[in-house]
Amino acid sequence: AQKVTQAQTEISVVEKEDVTLDCVYETRDTTYYLFWYKQPPSGELVFLIRRNSFDEQNEISGRYSWNFQKSTSSFNFTITASQVVDSAVYFCALSDTGRRALTFGSGTRLQVQP
Amino acid sequence: NAGVTQTPKFRVLKTGQSMTLLCAQDMNHEYMYWYRQDPGMGLRLIHYSVGEGTTAKGEVPDGYNVSRLKKQNFLLGLESAAPSQTSVYFCASSTTYPDSEAFFGQGTRLTVV
Repeated sequence: AQKVTQAQTEISVVEKEDVTLDCVYETRDTTYYLFWYKQPPSGELVFLIRRNSFDEQNEISGRYSWNFQKSTSSFNFTITASQVVDSAVYFCALSDTGRRALTFGSGTRLQVQP
Repeated sequence: NAGVTQTPKFRVLKTGQSMTLLCAQDMNHEYMYWYRQDPGMGLRLIHYSVGEGTTAKGEVPDGYNVSRLKKQNFLLGLESAAPSQTSVYFCASSTTYPDSEAFFGQGTRLTVV
């Protein structure tokens, strides 16, 4: 069965600090996809990134970077030089052939203090 | 572009009342989903649809029914609301599965008293 674990319930940092959000997943499939979504205080879910299981290259997009490691079944998300606007709940999610919908982790609430 | 639109955005129900949540997408997506979000539990799948006229149960389907008579619409029904159904409900759609990201509506906050 598929499972996504985000062990960090809440993280609080001061602006300009770097922060890493952890995501560990379980799946029996060899082909699967991993996602990160952001949920700002306004409540909508915003797609950030998708990574397939065959592509272990790290990705960087501005202040955001993602580290995918199949050996540890992890897909961690780092925000460099955090800003107050990064305050949100971040969800990691998995899609595989086990079911026909995304499986979400429980989310990590990030608070960036000015 | 409207994307995924949910109606209503807020609702308060009394225990035992019924209601229908409407989800509409204008992206011609095949897949549509209903999730509920509860504190500390992430998003849990209620029902989903892989195309017009099809529906399937997710992980928490009890107390809910769905219909997808038109490709662009996915309805979620509560026949007899219970306080345990107090939650934020999200509809989402995707063009394919498992490789496409899902696009989400703005959510419906439902309170059952």
